[in-house]
Amino acid sequence: EADIYQTPRYLVIGTGKKITLECSQTMGHDKMYWYQQDPGMELHLIHYSYGVNSTEKGDLSSESTVSRIRTEHFPLTLESARPSHTSQYLCASSGGLAGGHLTDTQYFGPGTRLTVL
Amino acid sequence: GQNIDQPTEMTATEGAIVQINCTYQTSGFNGLFWYQQHAGEAPTFLSYNVLDGLEEKGRFSSFLSRSKGYSYLLLKELQMKDSASYLCALGGSGGYQKVTFGIGTKLQVIP
Repeated sequence: EADIYQTPRYLVIGTGKKITLECSQTMGHDKMYWYQQDPGMELHLIHYSYGVNSTEKGDLSSESTVSRIRTEHFPLTLESARPSHTSQYLCASSGGLAGGHLTDTQYFGPGTRLTVL
Repeated sequence: GQNIDQPTEMTATEGAIVQINCTYQTSGFNGLFWYQQHAGEAPTFLSYNVLDGLEEKGRFSSFLSRSKGYSYLLLKELQMKDSASYLCALGGSGGYQKVTFGIGTKLQVIP
């Protein structure tokens, strides 16, 4: 059972508001990721981090920003939400050991479903 | 880069066996993952193949052939709750741990 948490689970907000989506994991994983996924569509990597003070943009351009001040915490911020940001946001982490070997198996949080009106 | 191909949709009967194929093109990867994703939920890890061959885990098995650029997920004794999308994903190469996900195969299990 993966110990990775996201809050809020659902958020409905007006255009122009600043929002922060929280993601925390208690597995001590170094690597953390944010994905964006529309219903029935593929996962798109928007941000990732290899450790504290490390953040990189993913394959899909995003207006969001992230920070990694603590190993267990990887929040995502939208400075000014727009209807085009409506989507599901999934956080994941990796870096555990399996059979004595480092594995890049990613474990996902439950997701935040964001609706911007 | 990495490119992954899977069928978009499949339908199978409860109690039957279904095989979901995945072909890929890549310059290198650590291993191949299969994830299950129910509608509206997050993906959950099913299997990870590093070496060629079959990995069995209960009703689910996953196979990898690096030389053929091919993998499959085999689901036995299908249950209604197996209706979900199944994502094939390639792990990064070396210490680079980004994972590339395929679009997924939506499996519908019918009575």
